[in-house]
Amino acid sequence: GQSLEQPSEVTAVEGAIVQINCTYQTSGFYGLSWYQQHDGGAPTFLSYNALDGLEETGRFSSFLSRSDSYGYLLLQELQMKDSASYFCAVRAIDDKIIFGKGTRLHILP
Amino acid sequence: GAVVSQHPSRVICKSGTSVKIECRSLDFQATTMFWYRQFPKQSLMLMATSNEGSKATYEQGVEKDKFLINHASLTLSTLTVTSAHPEDSSFYICSAIKDRAMREQYFGPGTRLTVT
Repeated sequence: GQSLEQPSEVTAVEGAIVQINCTYQTSGFYGLSWYQQHDGGAPTFLSYNALDGLEETGRFSSFLSRSDSYGYLLLQELQMKDSASYFCAVRAIDDKIIFGKGTRLHILP
Repeated sequence: GAVVSQHPSRVICKSGTSVKIECRSLDFQATTMFWYRQFPKQSLMLMATSNEGSKATYEQGVEKDKFLINHASLTLSTLTVTSAHPEDSSFYICSAIKDRAMREQYFGPGTRLTVT
């Protein structure tokens, strides 16, 4: 089967750094994406990794290790508005995008 | 930019009726559109992949006769929930991609369907 594993919930303090991990097992792999979703809203694209290494976009960075089938999203200088659900997603065989179950990030003042 | 719209944003219908949801890419031509379903506090479940001019590809467990998908043009895909039942109540989200590189999916704002 195909699966992505990520923690269900993470709590961090405003201004801190948090890392959300994602491990995957899929039929074929073309890239790992991260999406943010606020309650009641649609997912918005954050980042994409096709090759090993770290991609940085402002306060958010994403890492991929294809040999370990593992990636993470790193959020720095956390703000209250970052409270949301974060999904990792893999583009697998047949061009399907498979989403993880999501990590709910709680930020404390 | 890349904007995807959905209409309606919310719909309430009676059991047994059909509901059509439209998904439009406003400023680009979408080679492929996807339809997802999301229950509260759960992940997005891919229902089907829609390519312009061809039949949709449905995921295992999704009834193609119940969830009719029509991709009439490169900017419009529709999902019709036929003979809706309360268990079909959910958040339906479409997404579109510009090209097969599929680095990024552009999501619509979603449609909240409530079947009474």
